[in-house]
Amino acid sequence: QLQLQESGPGLVKPSETLSLTCTVSGGSINSDHYYWAWIRQPPGKGLEWIGSIYHSGSTRFNPSLKSRLTMSVDTSKNQFSLKLSSVTATETAVFYCARSDYDSWTGSHKWNFNLWGRGTLVTVAS
Amino acid sequence: DILMTQSPSSLSASVGDRVTITCRASQTIDTYLHWYQQRSGEAPKLLIHGASSLQSGVPSRFSGSGSGTDFTLTISSLQSEDFASYYCQQSYSTPTFGQGTKLESK
Repeated sequence: QLQLQESGPGLVKPSETLSLTCTVSGGSINSDHYYWAWIRQPPGKGLEWIGSIYHSGSTRFNPSLKSRLTMSVDTSKNQFSLKLSSVTATETAVFYCARSDYDSWTGSHKWNFNLWGRGTLVTVAS
Repeated sequence: DILMTQSPSSLSASVGDRVTITCRASQTIDTYLHWYQQRSGEAPKLLIHGASSLQSGVPSRFSGSGSGTDFTLTISSLQSEDFASYYCQQSYSTPTFGQGTKLESK
């Protein structure tokens, strides 16, 4: 069955750029029925949606992070990626990649995150 | 952003208990509301979508209700594997989550 796996550096210095990749296995990222998301969770705290991307490269971002955020998709590798610039120590978190349903006929997002990776901890520290 | 507020923030209960968690939105969101379970050290898992639809594979002891601004998640008979944190999330606009409810063993 379809699985998601996050990868990337576990330690990033303040003011630098955090970069993560999510690999989709057991299925294709090219489906018209899904958007692919990044969600983060600071230790002991709640969840925050970062942004989502379609296989075409179309993106939707959290407005609070939009100015620092880049997302991309590589359909040949079945991967999508996140870059968050100018990070601070308060952005230490577990980062999850996830999938949500999309109706390409109506352009309607369901934003129901129905499949998740196991998550990867990224610590921002010098 | 739409603010989602859950209550209680923590809850102690025993196996077999009926448990209810509430979620309130800062503005009306129709039924664009989902519930997740997160066990310690694991990723969240979707339980309920569209306020009341049970996600495939989720036990029927879980149910959701509500519309507009007020929603509930009910576990009809608590099992040991249900001790976890629970989050609501609205999808009416930019997705936002509640702060979570930690369900612990009494």
